[in-house]
Amino acid sequence: GQNIDQPTEMTATEGAIVQINCTYQTSGFNGLFWYQQHAGEAPTFLSYNVLDGLEEKGRFSSFLSRSKGYSYLLLKELQMKDSASYLCAVRDINDYKLSFGAGTTVTVRA
Amino acid sequence: GAVVSQHPSWVICKSGTSVKIECRSLDFQATTMFWYRQFPKQSLMLMATSNEGSKATYEQGVEKDKFLINHASLTLSTLTVTSAHPEDSSFYICSANGQNQPQHFGDGTRLSIL
Repeated sequence: GQNIDQPTEMTATEGAIVQINCTYQTSGFNGLFWYQQHAGEAPTFLSYNVLDGLEEKGRFSSFLSRSKGYSYLLLKELQMKDSASYLCAVRDINDYKLSFGAGTTVTVRA
Repeated sequence: GAVVSQHPSWVICKSGTSVKIECRSLDFQATTMFWYRQFPKQSLMLMATSNEGSKATYEQGVEKDKFLINHASLTLSTLTVTSAHPEDSSFYICSANGQNQPQHFGDGTRLSIL
């Protein structure tokens, strides 16, 4: 299985940058995913890393280091609508199951 | 646009009723789909893995006779909550992924049992 840790809460100002860290331990790694989940809604896919390095998609970037069991999600130019829970998830190579962290609640303030 | 469609989005029914939830992959074939449950302010909990053409694999503690899963085609999986009771009220979410693709979620079904 996987043990996935991410901070519980983060607060930032509109227009700023926030970095959400995620560490994991896994017996069989097949990719790391970041999802955004607004209250009362299903998760929305943000990014996917399977190789080491940085993946950039607009205001959101995600980084992976497999040797360190570490990833981060970088949110730039924060907007009020970015206030949400951000979920780090690791996929198992054997059964394709996703194991989720508890989620990081990001609050963007004006 | 959505790549996984889930229906219905909201169900309110009486205790003892059975409720069926559908999950469809729209642009790809999914040999495997997943069913999750999420209680308020908690993380997603995997209930079962739905396998096309074979029996579903249930996570520990999930009653397979209570939560019936059918994956009859490469684009459709169904979850039936049988004889639902108030404690089954929750947010049920399905997901699917194509070959070497990220896992996408349906919009979820909010189930309320009175």
